[in-house]
Amino acid sequence: GAVVSQHPSWVICKSGTSVKIECRSLDFQATTMFWYRQFPKQSLMLMATSNEGSKATYEQGVEKDKFLINHASLTLSTLTVTSAHPEDSSFYICSARVGREPDTQYFGPGTRLTVL
Amino acid sequence: GNSVTQMEGPVTLSEEAFLTINCTYTATGYPSLFWYVQYPGEGLQLLLKATKADDKGSNKGFEATYRKETTSFHLEKGSVQVSDSAVYFCALRGSNSGYALNFGKGTSLLVTP
Repeated sequence: GAVVSQHPSWVICKSGTSVKIECRSLDFQATTMFWYRQFPKQSLMLMATSNEGSKATYEQGVEKDKFLINHASLTLSTLTVTSAHPEDSSFYICSARVGREPDTQYFGPGTRLTVL
Repeated sequence: GNSVTQMEGPVTLSEEAFLTINCTYTATGYPSLFWYVQYPGEGLQLLLKATKADDKGSNKGFEATYRKETTSFHLEKGSVQVSDSAVYFCALRGSNSGYALNFGKGTSLLVTP
């Protein structure tokens, strides 16, 4: 089946630094990738939608200058948390949509970010 | 806007017990409804889906019926196994929201031998 990987699986950083999270579709090309954020015991909240070669579409309330998304190829999207602060600590999950299966998204295992 | 409400967990059941996880939704138009499962250390996986009213999604012994009159999509399984222990998420895709999903908070299920 379709596999989506995320790297790193967890990261700890100091406040003020930037962190990059990679999301890769390993055996398929993804027309669209999504980035979600999950707080403990909360639902996944959509942050942004990215299509290869175009700018990401951010959900209301998500700072585009803080959460930089790059979707450079059909198999790779990156989320960079810039100038991270403790309140950015969360679980970040990506998913990838295969164009021919519009209702199917394949999810990565997530990245745990802790900002000290 | 679209939203999903599912029952709070954790749910603890003995093996072979009957499972129900309630899910209700709010949406305009005609959403598609999904159940995703997340096993420990893994990403969310699609368990089943239904795209229109009265459709029944089923997979691995799990079932859920799209009930438009009650705006519900409850997940059921007649006899759970230890291997079903996971977190279950109800989700919807609105008819006018592209392909993004709205998720419930998730329900943790623990099945004991």
